[in-house]
Amino acid sequence: NAGVIQTPRHKVTGKGQEATLWCEPISGHSAVFWYRQTIVQGLEFLTYFRNQAPIDDSGMPKERFSAQMPNQSHSTLKIQSTQPQDSAVYLCASSSDWGNTGQLYFGEGSKLTVL
Amino acid sequence: GEQVEQRPPHLSVREGDSAIIICTYTDSATAYFSWYKQEAGAGLQLLMSVLSNVDRKEEQGLTVLLNKKDKRLSLNLTAAHPGDSAVYFCAVPPSSNTDKVVFGTGTRLQVSP
Repeated sequence: NAGVIQTPRHKVTGKGQEATLWCEPISGHSAVFWYRQTIVQGLEFLTYFRNQAPIDDSGMPKERFSAQMPNQSHSTLKIQSTQPQDSAVYLCASSSDWGNTGQLYFGEGSKLTVL
Repeated sequence: GEQVEQRPPHLSVREGDSAIIICTYTDSATAYFSWYKQEAGAGLQLLMSVLSNVDRKEEQGLTVLLNKKDKRLSLNLTAAHPGDSAVYFCAVPPSSNTDKVVFGTGTRLQVSP
């Protein structure tokens, strides 16, 4: 069991550029979550998918951020026109039985730095 | 929505001492309450979960207590060691299977030799 895989581990972009982060959930897990973590704001929920369908994107900034799950083996988080305040660690997590256990398995995170 | 308070934000103990972290929450849910550990540069690692009908669970030097009357969840690291140094988060379950878990604000634990 490889665990949740996130790529890239580190990404540096210039202000205004686009950044795409990838997440491969644990095989067989039906729920995928994205969180953003900063020292100031802590752990912030962004969005989640269940059986590839978007369920709750209430944490996503309405402009510039989008997430997709085109198949059960990967999800992407795209940030257009990146700004310095987007600098954070973006964490992906998956769960096999979300409704019953609430247990999440996290990847190592993608650290985004916007210069 | 669900509100979760976690304390203390920082905790320093000596090796062999116990360390206690507490979360209080506002809503009850019938599901698992969890604790996660985050080491530097890594994601969150699921430490232990307890079902809402369980008051106490012990496992490998960790004790989780759930007091549903007081809406309090605690994590006790008995005989902490330097390898336990990390940030710990509590997680309160969603109230429905379409809701999201709510995390505490984290406790940075430092265990000195």
